[in-house]
Amino acid sequence: EAGVAQSPRYKIIEKRQSVAFWCNPISGHATLYWYQQILGQGPKLLIQFQNNGVVDDSQLPKDRFSAERLKGVDSTLKIQPAKLEDSAVYLCASSFRSYGYTFGSGTRLTVV
Amino acid sequence: TQLLEQSPQFLSIQEGENLTVYCNSSSVFSSLQWYRQEPGEGPVLLVTVVTGGEVKKLKRLTFQFGDARKDSSLHITAAQPGDTGLYLCAGFPAAGNKLTFGGGTRVLVKP
Repeated sequence: EAGVAQSPRYKIIEKRQSVAFWCNPISGHATLYWYQQILGQGPKLLIQFQNNGVVDDSQLPKDRFSAERLKGVDSTLKIQPAKLEDSAVYLCASSFRSYGYTFGSGTRLTVV
Repeated sequence: TQLLEQSPQFLSIQEGENLTVYCNSSSVFSSLQWYRQEPGEGPVLLVTVVTGGEVKKLKRLTFQFGDARKDSSLHITAAQPGDTGLYLCAGFPAAGNKLTFGGGTRVLVKP
């Protein structure tokens, strides 16, 4: 089966600019997750979707981050405006059930 | 402070040596998972342990879940350069359904 697809792989932007990441989960996986992984740290959950509804967004900085999952398939994560501390790898994952997360390769964001 | 603490943070060994990575918490977990992440890639699930005291083996890798379900360890026998990577433990707290990651252990196996 095809894996979790993410794009772009790399992005460099200036602070205060906006950026968007895209994720296409494994077909049939109802649950989709966005994680932020700062260099040298483990991934931190930003938001979890079940189909097209938000299950958990308690750690999403809602003043600048937004995410949507229209039609319960693809998802986009947006940052506007970006700050230097947003430099990280943004990982998308999907799962059929709670166990067995499959991660994409991530988008490495550098804010300068 | 992180819910899951991993130690050591970095480990450098020679090919053929053994190593152990630890994952500890003061909280009880319904299950724990171990992932390996290579540079430029996402984490890949290695194993899930769900029962206190459980031991699982995956070729040269041995995973153990503590009796109290608060800690876990990963032991690699006769490490090879291909074992190099970032090892992450992650767990579902007993009181919650959010997969939480530890800070990771970076392992370097030198030929």
